[in-house]
Amino acid sequence: EAGVAQSPRYKIIEKRQSVAFWCNPISGHATLYWYQQILGQGPKLLIQFQNNGVVDDSQLPKDRFSAERLKGVDSTLKIQPAKLEDSAVYLCASSFLAGGADTQYFGPGTRLTVL
Amino acid sequence: DQQVKQNSPSLSVQEGRISILNCDYTNSMFDYFLWYKKYPAEGPTFLISISSIKDKNEDGRFTVFLNKSAKHLSLHIVPSQPGDSAVYFCAAKSPNNDMRFGAGTRLTVKP
Repeated sequence: EAGVAQSPRYKIIEKRQSVAFWCNPISGHATLYWYQQILGQGPKLLIQFQNNGVVDDSQLPKDRFSAERLKGVDSTLKIQPAKLEDSAVYLCASSFLAGGADTQYFGPGTRLTVL
Repeated sequence: DQQVKQNSPSLSVQEGRISILNCDYTNSMFDYFLWYKKYPAEGPTFLISISSIKDKNEDGRFTVFLNKSAKHLSLHIVPSQPGDSAVYFCAAKSPNNDMRFGAGTRLTVKP
């Protein structure tokens, strides 16, 4: 079974530029998550989708971050414009359902460096 | 708000000995706890979990203990192997599926 795919793996941009990340979840997984992991910290949830609907985006900085999952499969996360403090690894995860014992499977992440 | 805390940033143990990784939480609404393992340049990988209605769950060399009164859980690895060297994240889920992670503990198992 293929895992969660993410691209690009690495991205370096200058502040105020825009950047987009792509995620392809495990086939059949209805729930998709985007996390931000700053160096030395644990992953922090940015947004959760159930199929193509947003379940939780309470921690997403909506003035600069946006995400979509139009067909309920792939998802993109965009930052516009980027700030220095956005430097982090952006992790995508998916799960079959959304509750209790349902395990989240993570992709390898995209390491973003904002100069 | 750090609802899940891993107070030891690193731990070093000898191969064959026991590794004990600790985690504390503050939110009594958490009903499910998980441990993830992360190698460099990879995403976290699920290791083991425990429901809040249990106090112990075992899977091979890995055992997770939950002390609800102390809001504390621990992961025991016995015996430790060099391949276990990684960063271990503790995570806790609330009924609305909100999952919070600790900052991680880097385990080094020396041959």
